[in-house]
Amino acid sequence: QTVVTQEPSLTVSPGGTVTLTCASSNGAVTKSYSPNWFQRKPGQPPKTLIYSTDNTHSWTPARFSGSLLGDKAALTLSGVQPEDEAEYYCLLYDGGAWVFGGGTRVTVL
Amino acid sequence: QVLLVQSGAEVKKPGASVRLSCKTSGYSFTDYFIHWVRQASGQGPEWMGRATHYSQNFQGRVTMTIDTSTTTVYMELNSLRPEDTAVYYCVRERQGGLFDYWGQGTLVAVSS
Repeated sequence: QTVVTQEPSLTVSPGGTVTLTCASSNGAVTKSYSPNWFQRKPGQPPKTLIYSTDNTHSWTPARFSGSLLGDKAALTLSGVQPEDEAEYYCLLYDGGAWVFGGGTRVTVL
Repeated sequence: QVLLVQSGAEVKKPGASVRLSCKTSGYSFTDYFIHWVRQASGQGPEWMGRATHYSQNFQGRVTMTIDTSTTTVYMELNSLRPEDTAVYYCVRERQGGLFDYWGQGTLVAVSS
C-alpha cells in the first residue's frame, strides 16, 4: 500500500515563505495523482486549499500555491501570516485509492 | 450555498455497528461524489472510501450508500473496535480530484 510522506514539522517567521512537500512511496508524484492540500486547525474540519496539483478555490488566500517540485507535490506559503499556523495534509490518488500524508505542522514564530 | 451536515456524536461498544449520515444541499447531488474520511486524535486523516469504492483497510467492514431522494449519504461501519474512535468527516469531490466542501465531522467513540 502506498505511503505518502510529508515533513512532520516546519517553522517559519511571519512574512516568510515555506514550502511543504508530499512524496509517494511509489515514485514521482505527477499531475495524475491529483494532489490536494488541506489545512486543519484544532476543533475545525479540514479546509481544502488546493486541488488537482495547483488549482485554488475561491476561499484560498492568494499566498497559498500548489505545484510539482522535483518528484513531489508541493504547497508554498508566501508572506506567511500568524493565522497560517496549522496542520497541513496532502492527498494523492494512487493505485485506485486516495491516500493522505501524515501531515506537516507549521509553526509561525 | 453548499452544505454538508453530518449526524451527531455516537458512543458504541466494541463489536457494535454505527451508521452516520451526511445530508447535502445547495448543489446538483449527482454531479459529485461524497467521500468519508476519519481522523483519530493525534493522527493524520485516513481515507475510507466513497460509495462502492472502499479503502482496502475497510473492505468487508464498511458500507456507503446514497439516497438521491434526500441527497443524503450514509456510512455504516461494523465490528467496531476501540481504534475506530475518531472524528468521521464527509467531503465532496467532483470527479477528477476536485475536493472542496467538508461536513462538520461526527465523533464516534468506541469503548466498553
